[in-house]
Amino acid sequence: DTAVSQTPKYLVTQMGNDKSIKCEQNLGHDTMYWYKQDSKKFLKIMFSYNNKELIINETVPNRFSPKSPDKAHLNLHINSLELGDSAVYFCASSQESLAGHTDTQYFGPGTRLTVL
Amino acid sequence: QQQVKQSPQSLIVQKGGISIINCAYENTAFDYFPWYQQFPGKGPALLIAIRPDVSEKKEGRFTISFNKSAKQFSLHIMDSQPGDSATYFCAASIRVPGNQFYFGTGTSLTVIP
Repeated sequence: DTAVSQTPKYLVTQMGNDKSIKCEQNLGHDTMYWYKQDSKKFLKIMFSYNNKELIINETVPNRFSPKSPDKAHLNLHINSLELGDSAVYFCASSQESLAGHTDTQYFGPGTRLTVL
Repeated sequence: QQQVKQSPQSLIVQKGGISIINCAYENTAFDYFPWYQQFPGKGPALLIAIRPDVSEKKEGRFTISFNKSAKQFSLHIMDSQPGDSATYFCAASIRVPGNQFYFGTGTSLTVIP
């Protein structure tokens, strides 16, 4: 019944490694996002996909690459991990309301990435 | 540039008191203003939301006050409880296409018994 799920929940890895985080939503939403939350709790948008198309790509290093195989999935691949990548990464999804307005986002439980 | 400004950064309230968190925005194209509540180790969860065509929305102990002319909105938590201790984020969103959300910097609320 989980609306937005992410795996893994915890990820501990060495600097320089490549890792992936997976996200799936079963809400039928057409927009998915990746956010980074640092130690100060600030939520920073990284990417936004609408109907599998990249809509937002904030100033994120190109070591981060999102991949959306279908509308229900948005995975995040990170190459050459650095110490500063340590954070909690949240996946989210949303859907426009029937009236054509924006509607709420639903967040996943987060993936805590620790780079040693 | 921070699209949504939130204050205070932290707030300590006695049990039973009123907690007030304020947010301000610039872009008049925003059409949805949600508040999210986040507990440690969890993802943000929608608490309450408002659209700009109404000035107030109340759900239980939580109320959003919205001032369109001033481009400000606030969250009021009445009869605050220790279980309300969490981080609160205001946000504003716009259709891009898809929906783009801009978050405030968060307020850490502590309700002391």
